Amino acid sequence: GESVGLHLPTLSVQEGDNSIINCAYSNSASDYFIWYKQESGKGPQFIIDIRSNMDKRQGQRVTVLLNKTVKHLSLQIAATQPGDSAVYFCAENIKRDSTLTFGKGTMLLVSP
Amino acid sequence: DAGVIQSPRHEVTEMGQEVTLRCKPISGHDYLFWYRQTMMRGLELLIYFNNNVPIDDSGMPEDRFSAKMPNASFSTLKIQPSEPRDSAVYFCASSNYRGEAGYTFGSGTRLTVV
Repeated sequence: GESVGLHLPTLSVQEGDNSIINCAYSNSASDYFIWYKQESGKGPQFIIDIRSNMDKRQGQRVTVLLNKTVKHLSLQIAATQPGDSAVYFCAENIKRDSTLTFGKGTMLLVSP
Repeated sequence: DAGVIQSPRHEVTEMGQEVTLRCKPISGHDYLFWYRQTMMRGLELLIYFNNNVPIDDSGMPEDRFSAKMPNASFSTLKIQPSEPRDSAVYFCASSNYRGEAGYTFGSGTRLTVV
């Protein structure tokens, strides 16, 4: 889910489908990861986080998977709803005592 | 808690004018972050404070940008003089952690410099 300049990667799904949004992170030493959701005209909202000692974490309708071997993070949304339409960002804590570093996001479009 | 509160929500100003953006963080949060969001560059960290002290301002693009945090409940980001390329959405966020947990973002200020 990295930006390609002016255009965000976009995932279009039908209501009720499962969605998978991907993120390649930059540093193998990163030990903390977060997914944020940003709806139009609003600030990013925390969805779910995961630490590097875990491979998977589940929330309500969302699951985050972490593959440290290939430095890949994914967000799975079950039974996607129109209200899930937003831009989704991954963020990582690249090193101890650093701030979060944000990816450029993926737009999710859910059609009824 | 009302969350992180930013004002104004929208600001339109003429090139050369001074612009001041305001932020009230969540009570008890020790860290305050200012971000700029554009389509080209995504979310960029401009500056952050810990206990009202600026820690890292390396993201501030130019001397035209300045930020203050006079107390634990208020921060400002000032641009003087403003330029059209400063047009963006500016977010304030607060947290109890520098990077070990998530940040709570405000709703942002959409700045348009004409």
